[in-house]
Amino acid sequence: QSALTQPPSASGSPGQSVTISCTGTISDVGGYNYVSWYQQHPCKAPKLMIYEVNKRPSGVPDRFSGSKSGNTASLTVSGLQTDDEADYYCSSYTGFNAVVFGGGTKLTVL
Amino acid sequence: EVRLVESGGGLVQSGRSLRLSCAASGFTFDDYAMHWVRQAPGKGLEWVSGINWNTANIAYADSVKGRFTISRDNAKNSLYLQINSLRAEDTALYYCVKDFSSGNLDVWGQGTTVTVSS
Repeated sequence: QSALTQPPSASGSPGQSVTISCTGTISDVGGYNYVSWYQQHPCKAPKLMIYEVNKRPSGVPDRFSGSKSGNTASLTVSGLQTDDEADYYCSSYTGFNAVVFGGGTKLTVL
Repeated sequence: EVRLVESGGGLVQSGRSLRLSCAASGFTFDDYAMHWVRQAPGKGLEWVSGINWNTANIAYADSVKGRFTISRDNAKNSLYLQINSLRAEDTALYYCVKDFSSGNLDVWGQGTTVTVSS
C-alpha cells in the first residue's frame, strides 16, 4: 500500500497549461482504469475532478483532462485560472474496496 | 441534496477508543460502497478503510489494520468507524466518502476531527 508518487509542486501563469503526474505500479495505476483526481482548496473537502482516468463529472470544466500510460497517470489543466490554485491528489483503485492516494501536488498560479 | 455528515470526533487520550459516525442523505445509501479517508494536519489524504454495500468486502490501510473497524447500517443510512488503541499519529480530520464505482469518490462530508493527546 505505498502511496502513489506525485511532484510536490507545480506552477503556471494564467492561460497556460500545466500537467501533474501520478506514478504507481501494476498493482494500482497500471492495473486498473480507475484513476481519479481531486482538487482541494484550503480548509475545504476534496472535490472529484476526473474519474476513470479521463472522465469529468458534471460541472467540471473541460479545461481539466486526464490520461494514463502504463503505471503513470496525468492531470492536465489548460487555460489556468486563479481559482485553479489548490492541492491536487490522484488516487487509484486497488481492488476489493481499497484505494491508494498520491502525496498531493500544490498547484500555484503565478 | 446529497449529503454526508460526520460526527463523533474529539480530543481523546492515547490508548482510548472512539466511534465515528456518518449520516447519509439524498441518495440510496445501500446502492454504494463507502470509505473513510483521513488527513493529518498539514498533510495529504490517506485512505483508511472501505466497505461495499452489503459488507461482504471490507478493506483497511495497513496503518490501521487490527485497530479500526468499519461498519454500516443500511436501515439507518449510516456508516461507522470504530477506532481502538488510539495513537498520536491517528490525529486527523476524518472524511466519510461515497464511492459511486470502483474507488471513484464523488461525495465527501466536511469531516470530523480526531485529536489524540498523550
